[in-house]
Amino acid sequence: EVQLVESGGGLVQPGRSMKLSCAASGFTFSNYGMAWVRQAPTKGLEWVATISYDGSSTYYRDSVKGRFTISRDNAKSTLYLQMNSLRSEDTATYYCTRGRELRIDWFAYWGQGTLVTVSS
Amino acid sequence: DIVLTQSPALAVSLGQRATISCRASQSVSISRYNLMHWYQQKPGQQPKLLIYRASNLASGIPARFSGSGSGTDFTLTINPVQADDIATYYCQQSRESPPWTFGGGTKLELK
Repeated sequence: EVQLVESGGGLVQPGRSMKLSCAASGFTFSNYGMAWVRQAPTKGLEWVATISYDGSSTYYRDSVKGRFTISRDNAKSTLYLQMNSLRSEDTATYYCTRGRELRIDWFAYWGQGTLVTVSS
Repeated sequence: DIVLTQSPALAVSLGQRATISCRASQSVSISRYNLMHWYQQKPGQQPKLLIYRASNLASGIPARFSGSGSGTDFTLTINPVQADDIATYYCQQSRESPPWTFGGGTKLELK
């Protein structure tokens, strides 16, 4: 059974940093592209960042470029999102998602999400 | 970026057909592939993949869900609607990515 379990969310002040983790199990992690998708309270879904199956390629939405870094450790089957210079508009539930083998077209599996609240 | 437009809400009676639409600002089709996908999200839960490539049912999804469309116009149909289907539905495109973009969501409500 595919499982994605996020951790690391919480309350953080504007301008500070936070690192999210996603522990994956139930599939060969190193074969799949992974992504983070977020959802602000009462709002819709918004793609944040994607990393290729081997970590060689990364992509970001414009509003987080230069502030967020997506990475992965295939030996630990874990996905990360390092978030720096956080802003109030980054407040959202962050979901870890898995694509299909070798690339991402659709988001086949989702974790339960971790809430990040940016506030003073 | 490709913008996806959905109606905010749709009211439907149990046992009836629900048709949820999604319009893209430009074509999301390449040759025979229609790169539009659909998700269901219930309150307090994570989204779940329903349909991929416009018309392919994801694993474990009941056959009362179906998808159709090509180019810029796509439809998710639920027939018949059951109480468990009350949720918000999102479309998502991968024709031009990054960025992968989502529609604003359609909240399915009971009439």
